[in-house]
Amino acid sequence: EIVMTQSPATLSVSPGERATLSCRASQSVVSNLAWYQQRPGQAPRLLIYGASTRATGVPARFSGTGSGTEFTLTISSLQSEDFAVYYCQQYDYWPPETFGHGTKVEIK
Amino acid sequence: QMQLVQSGPEVKKPGTSVKVSCKASGFTLISSVVQWVRQARGQRLEWIGWIVVGSGDTKFAQTFQERVTITRDMSTSTAYMDLSSLRAEDTAIYYCAAPYGSEGAFDIWGQGTTVTVSS
Repeated sequence: EIVMTQSPATLSVSPGERATLSCRASQSVVSNLAWYQQRPGQAPRLLIYGASTRATGVPARFSGTGSGTEFTLTISSLQSEDFAVYYCQQYDYWPPETFGHGTKVEIK
Repeated sequence: QMQLVQSGPEVKKPGTSVKVSCKASGFTLISSVVQWVRQARGQRLEWIGWIVVGSGDTKFAQTFQERVTITRDMSTSTAYMDLSSLRAEDTAIYYCAAPYGSEGAFDIWGQGTTVTVSS
């Protein structure tokens, strides 16, 4: 089983500032890494797949980088609707059995 | 519009079973997979298991191995998750998800089904 480790657990950011979230895989998943956003009371929503490709309708302020075991999600200028929990999930090895523990992005 | 539509909320007694459905609308599940994930209040996403719809092959997280069954009805593009021997700790929102246009990532999610286990 591949273990996904996210950091930090909580990120306090002011609106308009940049947020940088990290995800590490216990072994290489190449670029088969997805990021999901979950707002309170909502189902998860796919943001990024293939480590760096934005899903349909995702604003350009969201960007993903990385490959192998180290990945980063950057939100360039936080908007009010971006305060949420973000999860990473690998899908290189099927089934993709685990999610990271999540990073909560909260208002500073 | 592609979506997964889940069945409604359930309230169950400890020791009983619950069956949650997940129906594809606007696309077919035949050549896809469906994963099931749950989330207790304030907790992280927890992967339960998945089914390869075409073959019916399944795999489950070790935590649920003894208690979960995932099936599908290809004629209605519906997947089902059955969890038995329910306990209070199974109280959570249960989600299904499938990949569609994102090269294997899960871009279509159900709206979630709240399962409450209480005596």
